[in-house]
Amino acid sequence: KQEVTQIPAALSVPEGENLVLNCSFTDSAIYNLQWFRQDPGKGLTSLLLIQSSQREQTSGRLNASLDKSSGRSTLYIAASQPGDSATYLCAVDPGTDKLIFGTGTRLQVFP
Amino acid sequence: GAVVSQHPSWVICKSGTSVKIECRSLDFQATTMFWYRQFPKQSLMLMATSNEGSKATYEQGVEKDKFLINHASLTLSTLTVTSAHPEDSSFYICSAHSAGYNEQFFGPGTRLTVL
Repeated sequence: KQEVTQIPAALSVPEGENLVLNCSFTDSAIYNLQWFRQDPGKGLTSLLLIQSSQREQTSGRLNASLDKSSGRSTLYIAASQPGDSATYLCAVDPGTDKLIFGTGTRLQVFP
Repeated sequence: GAVVSQHPSWVICKSGTSVKIECRSLDFQATTMFWYRQFPKQSLMLMATSNEGSKATYEQGVEKDKFLINHASLTLSTLTVTSAHPEDSSFYICSAHSAGYNEQFFGPGTRLTVL
């Protein structure tokens, strides 16, 4: 059974810092991996999607990498801002379109 | 990206009543819709998969007679929580998938509180 874990569970940093959020999964047979942002009480905003054949994806200050063989993905946030404060979720698609979500990282960036 | 809406955004009901939540894909046809549940400070858990014109498939541990799902058209799926109890209080999120897209698009969620 696929299990997705995110470390750390919570993170509080001053603005301007470069951040690394980690996601690990137990079964390397995935179709893709996706990173989402969730603001309190809100739905999900898709940030980056990495296909199983890809190593990384970039969007603005965000960069996500994927090492399928080791079951890991990393979300890198450059020059963090208070507006980046949210919960970040990773999810894997085992090829069935049924996403399996990680436990999330709650990020707070203070001025 | 494609837009998915949910209605209502929040609902409060009495124990024993039924509540219907709608999920709509606004600018694309969704062949498949997914329903997730999220308890406070927890991640999303898939409840069921809904395909247009066919019966929904439920994940293990989810009662199909309690959580009725109807996917009558390519743009609308509904989730009805029957005989709601306080333990059903949660954040319900739907997502929609189309063969033309490589990813699912998520609705804004519905906060259900059962008194």
